[in-house]
Amino acid sequence: NAGVMQNPRHLVRRRGQEARLRCSPMKGHSHVYWYRQLPEEGLKFMVYLQKENIIDESGMPKERFSAEFPKEGPSILRIQQVVRGDSAAYFCASSPSASGASSYNEQFFGPGTRLTVL
Amino acid sequence: RKEVEQDPGPFNVPEGATVAFNCTYSNSASQSFFWYRQDCRKEPKLLMSVYSSGNEDGRFTAQLNRASQYISLLIRDSKLSDSATYLCVVRGSTGAGGFKTIFGAGTRLFVKA
Repeated sequence: NAGVMQNPRHLVRRRGQEARLRCSPMKGHSHVYWYRQLPEEGLKFMVYLQKENIIDESGMPKERFSAEFPKEGPSILRIQQVVRGDSAAYFCASSPSASGASSYNEQFFGPGTRLTVL
Repeated sequence: RKEVEQDPGPFNVPEGATVAFNCTYSNSASQSFFWYRQDCRKEPKLLMSVYSSGNEDGRFTAQLNRASQYISLLIRDSKLSDSATYLCVVRGSTGAGGFKTIFGAGTRLFVKA
């Protein structure tokens, strides 16, 4: 059973370009979470999605950032017109489909995408 | 006040030492609690869930005090391989029918020979 997969593992963009980060959850998981981790800092929640729905985007910057989790295919975190401050590790996590009701639900993390903005 | 607070450390301990990490949370409606471990430049991985009665897994013991809204992790007989950042994680109701998971900023541990 493959774990959470993220690609690319490393992404370099110039200021003003777009970054697309992909996340394939573990098999059987329909809940996806995106986190950002700046160098030497903790994980910051960005967005929580279920298939075709954004459940909680309270951690997403209001501009330039968007996320989707289509019926088919991976979840995508999209950053438009990147700036140097977007340089960070972006982690995706997934949890089982019953996560909304279960208290003891753990999140399984992917290896992350390290975005560097030049 | 942060929703989940941890002492950032770093904790520098010799091999074989016992070390304890503390974590406090602000949402009294929090329902589940975890400790994750994150190695440098790697993804967080679940270390253990924290149950109301406290639980132990080998050298690791987790405790929960709901009244004080406090979680702890105790590591006995520290190994060099225990060097990592330990993340306190709290999950609770948002009050709108949903759940939210909050990660603490982590406590760094360095175990030295």
